[in-house]
Amino acid sequence: DGGITQSPKYLFRKEGQNVTLSCEQNLNHDAMYWYRQDPGQGLRLIYYSQIVNDFQKGDIAEGYSVSREKKESFPLTVTSAQKNPTAFYLCASSILSGGSGNKEQFFGPGTRLTVL
Amino acid sequence: AQKVTQAQTEISVVEKEDVTLDCVYETRDTTYYLFWYKQPPSGELVFLIRRNSFDEQNEISGRYSWNFQKSTSSFNFTITASQVVDSAVYFCALSEANFGNEKLTFGTGTRLTIIP
Repeated sequence: DGGITQSPKYLFRKEGQNVTLSCEQNLNHDAMYWYRQDPGQGLRLIYYSQIVNDFQKGDIAEGYSVSREKKESFPLTVTSAQKNPTAFYLCASSILSGGSGNKEQFFGPGTRLTVL
Repeated sequence: AQKVTQAQTEISVVEKEDVTLDCVYETRDTTYYLFWYKQPPSGELVFLIRRNSFDEQNEISGRYSWNFQKSTSSFNFTITASQVVDSAVYFCALSEANFGNEKLTFGTGTRLTIIP
């Protein structure tokens, strides 16, 4: 089945540790995105990538890093510089419009990160 | 800057009642795209609809319908004859038509509870 997988589902981190959240897609989508969701809030964009080996900061990139070495993979590292990392993290992917209109994004099941 | 407002934080209705979720947006672009997503308790966002700014025709899909009115910058979502499975958080989102920068801006969501 085609889709987006995220792992782990739950992640616990001690203060001062870096952790990496996995996101893999087999939809052959060019674009991938990372969002953060806090209780009672909408999703906020952390990073996005439209092509391998290239990515751009979103609205709340500080304290996070990403890589895009393969089309199907877009891991997110939450660094110790992120002051309040406890949140629900969602990965998404989409095809690029190529001028035909912005396309819908498809989401993975999410990773819930808790800092102890 | 683009903005999406979902003023209804929580709504509860009895099963089989109709319910409308409001979405008001702000953008300076003349070409843009609007989306609705459903987030069930499992956490994964499910795509419901995409609408471009040039298509103001209302859309119906089963028990779901959408009313897009550019004059009031609104894109409201109605569920007819609600069911318990409709209980979820619903997000409205906006994307400006900027090739190479297809980011989504989300509202804060409306939590819908259908009471059996």
